[in-house]
Amino acid sequence: EVQLVESGGGLIQPGGSLRLSCAASGFTVSSNYMSWVRQAPGKGLEWVSVIYSGGSTYYADSVKGRFTISRDNSKNTLYLQMNSLRAEDTAVYYCARDRLQIGDYYYYGMDVWGQGTTVTVSS
Amino acid sequence: QSALTQPASVSGSPGQSITISCTGTSSDVGGYNYVSWYQQHPGKAPKLMIYEVSNRPSGVPDRFSGSKSGNTASLTISGLQAEDEADYYCSSYTSSSTSFGGGTKLTVL
Repeated sequence: EVQLVESGGGLIQPGGSLRLSCAASGFTVSSNYMSWVRQAPGKGLEWVSVIYSGGSTYYADSVKGRFTISRDNSKNTLYLQMNSLRAEDTAVYYCARDRLQIGDYYYYGMDVWGQGTTVTVSS
Repeated sequence: QSALTQPASVSGSPGQSITISCTGTSSDVGGYNYVSWYQQHPGKAPKLMIYEVSNRPSGVPDRFSGSKSGNTASLTISGLQAEDEADYYCSSYTSSSTSFGGGTKLTVL
């Protein structure tokens, strides 16, 4: 079964750091584009970061310089290292497979999502 | 990375059709055929409903359809059912990033 399971969320003080994990099963993280998307309480979805299969990484302006996306191929796991956290980073963080594969082709769309992990930045 | 513009809410009765619009610019929606639509029920993760403007993933009912004209994409749901009540988000890929719409709450009356 294709599945993503996030972990690592919690309550953290402003200025602190947290690392989120996203364990994949049923497919290989390193062969896919993988994204982090967050949703602040009562708000809409916000794209955070993507890592391409080739290893290139990109970030939303709101987190650039503070967050780092990475993966561990041996553990088939995606990570998001979050530093210098701010109150406005409070959200549910989802990892998602960021391309839909049909046969030998990839299409634009986030087709597999985790259940989300909650990050609360507060003193 | 500006958010795409969606109506805050739409409503319809069971069996009716509704359309949700998603307006961007020539740099995102208008520039690429990479618009996706997601359905999100309260407390749940988003679900991909439409990819690349008008394609449905396996398992998504054909009551859901997508289209695009210029800088505006649209999601149409025909034959509304109670379980369609949810939040809907559009997204568009640009070079190296993704923009989401603000979301539209669909109420089935």
